[in-house]
Amino acid sequence: GESVGLHLPTLSVQEGDNSIINCAYSNSASDYFIWYKQESGKGPQFIIDIRSNMDKRQGQRVTVLLNKTVKHLSLQIAATQPGDSAVYFCADVFGNEKLTFGTGTRLTIIP
Amino acid sequence: NAGVTQTPKFQVLKTGQSMTLQCAQDMNHEYMSWYRQDPGMGLRLIHYSVGAGITDQGEVPNGYNVSRSTTEDFPLRLLSAAPSQTSVYFCASSIKGVTGAFFGQGTRLTVV
Repeated sequence: GESVGLHLPTLSVQEGDNSIINCAYSNSASDYFIWYKQESGKGPQFIIDIRSNMDKRQGQRVTVLLNKTVKHLSLQIAATQPGDSAVYFCADVFGNEKLTFGTGTRLTIIP
Repeated sequence: NAGVTQTPKFQVLKTGQSMTLQCAQDMNHEYMSWYRQDPGMGLRLIHYSVGAGITDQGEVPNGYNVSRSTTEDFPLRLLSAAPSQTSVYFCASSIKGVTGAFFGQGTRLTVV
């Protein structure tokens, strides 16, 4: 079946450095992709999304890149801060707003 | 606005007991859904609804029932709890055509 997955389960980054979190997907018919941030004990929080007809989108300190040729998605966080420590999920959306989530990457910021 | 509110936050059930997890949203969103999150895994869709009176199954619907009598509420019912249903449950709502579902804070359910 279709799946959305992440390359690495954990990522440690020095405070102030840039973080790159990767995601692979298999459904070439996905309408768009979303990155969520989940802090301990909380529900997922929307970060940024990208439509399937785009290849890049920027937000505040975050950039999402979409490579449809290799079905790869990445989230770049600039100048990471302690508050960026969380689990990051990518999700794809295909029809009726149904989200399919990856397994998540735990980002740890090293002071 | 309260957003998406889930109750209770924590619950312990004995095997075979039934209960209802409550979810309410005050944003007039058409779409609502229930997910479960298990350790080391992403969220998996249990049931979803595209509007009042309409529900459909997600990826892991067995053992759960839902109903959507109003736009605001989307309760999830466990008919006969099993240890395999020990998980954290999240309710979410969204607007058709607008990305970024809003999630509740979750209900941590333990079945013993």
